[in-house]
Amino acid sequence: DTGVSQDPRHKITKRGQNVTFRCDPISEHNRLYWYRQTLGQGPEFLTYFQNEAQLEKSRLLSDRFSAERPKGSFSTLEIQRTEQGDSAMYLCASSQFSGDTGELFFGEGSRLTVL
Amino acid sequence: GQNIDQPTEMTATEGAIVQINCTYQTSGFNGLFWYQQHAGEAPTFLSYNVLDGLEEKGRFSSFLSRSKGYSYLLLKELQMKDSASYLCAVRDPYNNNDMRFGAGTRLTVKP
Repeated sequence: DTGVSQDPRHKITKRGQNVTFRCDPISEHNRLYWYRQTLGQGPEFLTYFQNEAQLEKSRLLSDRFSAERPKGSFSTLEIQRTEQGDSAMYLCASSQFSGDTGELFFGEGSRLTVL
Repeated sequence: GQNIDQPTEMTATEGAIVQINCTYQTSGFNGLFWYQQHAGEAPTFLSYNVLDGLEEKGRFSSFLSRSKGYSYLLLKELQMKDSASYLCAVRDPYNNNDMRFGAGTRLTVKP
């Protein structure tokens, strides 16, 4: 397994457009997380899944944001009607929480620029 | 609420030792993690503490005091490649065991 992969790595879009990011986690991991990170800040939690169930959503996740993990494998994060404030790095991470440390393995991120 | 606080920036000299502190206030506690993040790259796992005391991994050590809500990351024999942001994160069982991060400490190692 090559780790967590995210696509696209970079996305430039105009305000008002919709964007979708995809994350493929490490295959045996049952947890998948989405974080947002802006320059000089730590990752901010957005949402996470255990298998296909979305267990928690941050208040940061407005109605314009939706995440899915339909078969408990890959996940998508869609942002509708993008705003300039959505410009950030969107990080996906996965973990296998099984009594071990359960550390997160991050993907390289999808950098969004909204013009 | 949840607060995880770290210094914003630190500077140290190559070959020296540096200690990066982290204090936290969370609803619950189920482990504290340190991650390293080089500019433009994803965070990578460094260490994990769930019981009080010191965990040592080569040049890096991490300490935890649960009663004080305090941890530190100790980096010895600093190398230029250690210049990066260091993120403290806490796993909270009262929030579905998800992981919350501090803003990170940007460490600059100078020759």
